[in-house]
Amino acid sequence: EVQLVESGGGLVQPGGSLRLSCAASGFPFSSYWMTWVRQAPWKGLEWVAYIKPDGTEMYYVESVKGRFTISRDNAKNSLFLQMNTLRAEDTAVYYCATISGSYGGAFDNWGQGTLVTVSS
Amino acid sequence: DIVMTQSPDSLAVSLGERATINCKSSQSILYSSNNKYYLAWYQQKPGQPPKLLIYWASIRESGVPDRFSGSGSGTDFTLTISSLQAEDVAVYYCLQYYDTPRTFGQGTKVGIK
Repeated sequence: EVQLVESGGGLVQPGGSLRLSCAASGFPFSSYWMTWVRQAPWKGLEWVAYIKPDGTEMYYVESVKGRFTISRDNAKNSLFLQMNTLRAEDTAVYYCATISGSYGGAFDNWGQGTLVTVSS
Repeated sequence: DIVMTQSPDSLAVSLGERATINCKSSQSILYSSNNKYYLAWYQQKPGQPPKLLIYWASIRESGVPDRFSGSGSGTDFTLTISSLQAEDVAVYYCLQYYDTPRTFGQGTKVGIK
């Protein structure tokens, strides 16, 4: 069974930093593209970033470029999101998800999410 | 960026009746080499992560009840719930995964009339 467990969320002041983690199990993590998607309180879904299986290619939504870095450790079956220079508008639940190769790239398995609150 | 526009924003349907949600892409999301539309539908219930229902516009994910179906062509797509059940109350999102950035529709809230 695929399991994705996010951690690392919390309350941080504007301008601060936070590192999110996603522990993966139940599938060959090193073979999968992975992604982060966020959801602001009472709002819709927003794709944030994704990363190639070997970690050599990363893509970001424009609003986080230069501030967020997606990375992975295939030896530890873990995905990360380093978030710097945080803003109030980054407040959201952050989900990690697998990107299905079989379905052409749909996000198929999701974690439960971790809440990031940016506030003074 | 490809803009995904859903309609309506919300709808209320009687139990057992049909619910129809529309999603329009601002440009083609058809990959010509395999003739597939790179569109997915998700269901999100309160306090839960999204759940994949449909991919490639019309293929039902394993385990999804057959009352859920996806259709469409060009830039217009539809998610249909043929006979609404109480457990289908949720927000539904479309996602295009044809291009980067990946973009979602704004969501459609489905409730019971």
